Amino acid sequence: EVQLVDSGGGLVQPGGSLRLSCAASGFTFSNFWMSWVRQAPGKGLEWVANIKHDGSETYFVDSVKGRFTISRDNAKTSVFLQMKSLRVEDTAVYYCATGRDLSSWGQGTLVTVSS
Amino acid sequence: DIQMTQSPSAMSASVGDRVTITCRASQGISNYLAWFQQRPGIAPKRLIYAASSLQSGVPSRFSGSGSGTEFALTINNVQPEDFATYYCLQHSSYPITFGHGTRLEIK
Repeated sequence: EVQLVDSGGGLVQPGGSLRLSCAASGFTFSNFWMSWVRQAPGKGLEWVANIKHDGSETYFVDSVKGRFTISRDNAKTSVFLQMKSLRVEDTAVYYCATGRDLSSWGQGTLVTVSS
Repeated sequence: DIQMTQSPSAMSASVGDRVTITCRASQGISNYLAWFQQRPGIAPKRLIYAASSLQSGVPSRFSGSGSGTEFALTINNVQPEDFATYYCLQHSSYPITFGHGTRLEIK
């Protein structure tokens, strides 16, 4: 059974940094693209970033380019989202998901950017 | 960017009804379209992938159709647990984009 466990969220001041982690199990992690999706309070879903199975390609939504990086450790079956220069509008629940078509999802981790 | 226009934004139905939600892509996306269900406070769940393929474990009352720019999610014989918000997603090109969601409420 696919299991994704998101962690690393919390309260951070504007301009601060945070690193999210997603621990994966139950499938051959190194064969899959991995994605991050976020949902601001009371709003819809927004795709944030994804990374190819070998880490050789990464893609981002325009609003986070230059501020967020995505990486993975296939040996530890984990994917990460490093977030810098955080803004109030980055406040959201962040989910990791498998593939480019988001077949399975983690439980989410809440990031709150506030002074 | 490809815009996904989802309609309606909200709708009400009774148990046993048939409901249809549509998504229109601003340009052709072949069948790179998925549908998700989200209940309050929990992570979304994929229902349909490749426009019309049913995710394993999802009840057969859910079905997807369409290709190119016009897509639909149909729920036959709506059940109490189906009252939730539904989203479409295109992954044909970057940035990957979602529709704005359809909230299905009990009539």
